Amino acid sequence: DVVMTQSPLSLAVTLGQPASISCRSSQSLVHSSGNTFLDWFQQRPGQSPRRLIYKVSNRDSGVPDRFSGSGSGTDFTLTISRVEAEDVGVYYCVQDTHWPWTFGQGTKVEIK
Amino acid sequence: EVHLVESGGNLVQPGGSLRLSCAASGFTFSDFWMSWVRQTPGKGLQWVAKIKPDSGLKEYLDSVKGRFTISRDNAQNSLSLEMNSLRAEDTAIYYCVRESRTDPINNWGQGTLVTVSS
Repeated sequence: DVVMTQSPLSLAVTLGQPASISCRSSQSLVHSSGNTFLDWFQQRPGQSPRRLIYKVSNRDSGVPDRFSGSGSGTDFTLTISRVEAEDVGVYYCVQDTHWPWTFGQGTKVEIK
Repeated sequence: EVHLVESGGNLVQPGGSLRLSCAASGFTFSDFWMSWVRQTPGKGLQWVAKIKPDSGLKEYLDSVKGRFTISRDNAQNSLSLEMNSLRAEDTAIYYCVRESRTDPINNWGQGTLVTVSS
């Protein structure tokens, strides 16, 4: 199975400041179709996960543009340009290129 | 508005069985792949099973293969997960998920708790 490794595992950010989360996969996430299926999810306290980004850098409907994704191959990054209070939660990367699809361990984001 | 409502979670003894259901509304159910994803404090999130719109392809996590069966009824807009030979490590919140890998479509239910314990 593809192992997804996130860093850091926790992050304390000042409101209005940027934040970045790294995700590394144990093998390339380039699919035979040429697509790279790497997503980012947010899970707020007490809620179900919600996808923010799909295929590395595409925002899902309703996701604020302060969230952006980048990367290629095995190295990916989620960036929040200016953290807001509602961004508190746990963020997961997930690869859906190789079955079984696998999640990172999660990065807990809190406000400093 | 899209709604996914899971039900069927319960306390069950090791070796027992349980059937989870997911009632879908607000979209054309028969157009989408559907999945079950589980979450535990220890192992985090795991994608358990997925099923093609026409039920022609089903995929399972290795640790549940042969014990769990995913199915759907497109006429009833429902997704199911039949779970047999349950183990303590199957204890988790189980989510019903509608997703597309290539489009901005991704919805999760509120989850249903399965506890396997004697």
